[in-house]
Amino acid sequence: QQQVKQSPQSLIVQKGGISIINCAYENTAFDYFPWYQQFPGKGPALLIAIRPDVSEKKEGRFTISFNKSAKQFSLHIMDSQPGDSATYFCAASGSQGAQKLVFGQGTRLTINP
Amino acid sequence: KAGVTQTPRYLIKTRGQQVTLSCSPISGHRSVSWYQQTPGQGLQFLFEYFSETQRNKGNFPGRFSGRQFSNSRSEMNVSTLELGDSALYLCASRPAGTYEQYFGPGTRLTVT
Repeated sequence: QQQVKQSPQSLIVQKGGISIINCAYENTAFDYFPWYQQFPGKGPALLIAIRPDVSEKKEGRFTISFNKSAKQFSLHIMDSQPGDSATYFCAASGSQGAQKLVFGQGTRLTINP
Repeated sequence: KAGVTQTPRYLIKTRGQQVTLSCSPISGHRSVSWYQQTPGQGLQFLFEYFSETQRNKGNFPGRFSGRQFSNSRSEMNVSTLELGDSALYLCASRPAGTYEQYFGPGTRLTVT
C-alpha cells in the first residue's frame, strides 16, 4: 500500500514535443504529490507538486494532472527541451508522517535535439 | 538563501567500519529528513528529525541512526558498514507548515 508505481522507466522525446510520465498509488491517505527532477551528480530538485483538492496544476511548461478516483497522477512537459533531459521522480506522502516521501522508481527522460 | 549542504560529498569506507554524514538545512528550516538512493531500490526514506526529535523512521536496520542538533544541523551514522550500504545519501529540509522538501547534493558513500 505504500508503493508508488511510475512509468515508463525511460522515455525519448523529440525537441519541442510533449513528455508524459505517469504514476499510480494505492494508499488513499496520501495527500501530497510532488515531482522531482534529478541531474547526474545532483540531488533531486522539487519541480512541481499538487494536493488532491485540484485536478491540475501548471507552472510554466510543467503540468501535473491528478485523477483522485483512479489514484493516478502524471507530469506533462510541454515544448520539451534538451535541457530537460534528466531523471524524474514522482512521490507521495500523507498527513500522517508527512515528511516520509514515498518515491516512484524514476523515469530517465532524453530529449533529442 | 543557501541550499541544503552535505559533507563530505564523497566517502570511501571499508566493510565493518562506521561512518558519519553531516547535513546543514536551509536557514530557518527545522525539519531534516534523510534518504538513501541506490540503483536497485531507488529513493528510500531513512528518518526525519524536527527540533532535535526523531519523528519518523523508515524500514532500515538499527545500524542506521541519526541525530539533530539545536541549530537544526543533522548527522546520520551507519555502523558496521556492509557492501550494500554503498549509496547516495540525501538530506532534505523543510520549512515549518509546508510539505515541500528541498534536497542537498548528497554524500556518495562507497563501501569496499
